[in-house]
Amino acid sequence: TQLLEQSPQFLSIQEGENLTVYCNSSSVFSSLQWYRQEPGEGPVLLVTVVTGGEVKKLKRLTFQFGDARKDSSLHITAAQPGDTGLYLCAGAPTGNQFYFGTGTSLTVIP
Amino acid sequence: DAGITQSPRHKVTETGTPVTLRCHQTENHRYMYWYRQDPGHGLRLIHYSYGVKDTDKGEVSDGYSVSRSKTEDFLLTLESATSSQTSVYFCAISESLAGGSNTGELFFGEGSRLTVL
Repeated sequence: TQLLEQSPQFLSIQEGENLTVYCNSSSVFSSLQWYRQEPGEGPVLLVTVVTGGEVKKLKRLTFQFGDARKDSSLHITAAQPGDTGLYLCAGAPTGNQFYFGTGTSLTVIP
Repeated sequence: DAGITQSPRHKVTETGTPVTLRCHQTENHRYMYWYRQDPGHGLRLIHYSYGVKDTDKGEVSDGYSVSRSKTEDFLLTLESATSSQTSVYFCAISESLAGGSNTGELFFGEGSRLTVL
């Protein structure tokens, strides 16, 4: 069992549709991060959420940190083919160990 | 782009042979990490380092050892490779831990694909 569970694992949608990806844990995190990874490359940080209930927007992407700081969501509005990739949440509940979620593979069909 | 170089990028080896993967950074970051990535599991932490000669285990450390004799280099060794260690291995670095005003952002290398036959 992994510390951070993401859902759905796979998502295939049409261009222009909206979607939400969830990241859940039974542990409390001081912060959670979202990364995006493209094939053959390492993950790249999109955003860090720090405060319970915090909402951050990055163009068409909206990130939310749960009030209890145990979960987070990523909402994409009007998805574009360029949004295709693997989305990973990550956090360090204690000390130095960054744990990653199971990942959500998104495909946006033109 | 953060200066992180992993070598080798691709390796095929046989069961029972030793394998060493190298991560080299030019950023002088304190923290270095080794992850493995497998379908359905995201990234799982193998070992990490919080300074020269200071290392600790992650969630999947069995069968792996690490060494950090210099700030810039973090080595991952498989003493006797097994087929279950076939994976893509990523090195990451971080200047700080997550918390307070620090994002603890991880910067990743491009990965090393290891196949154990």
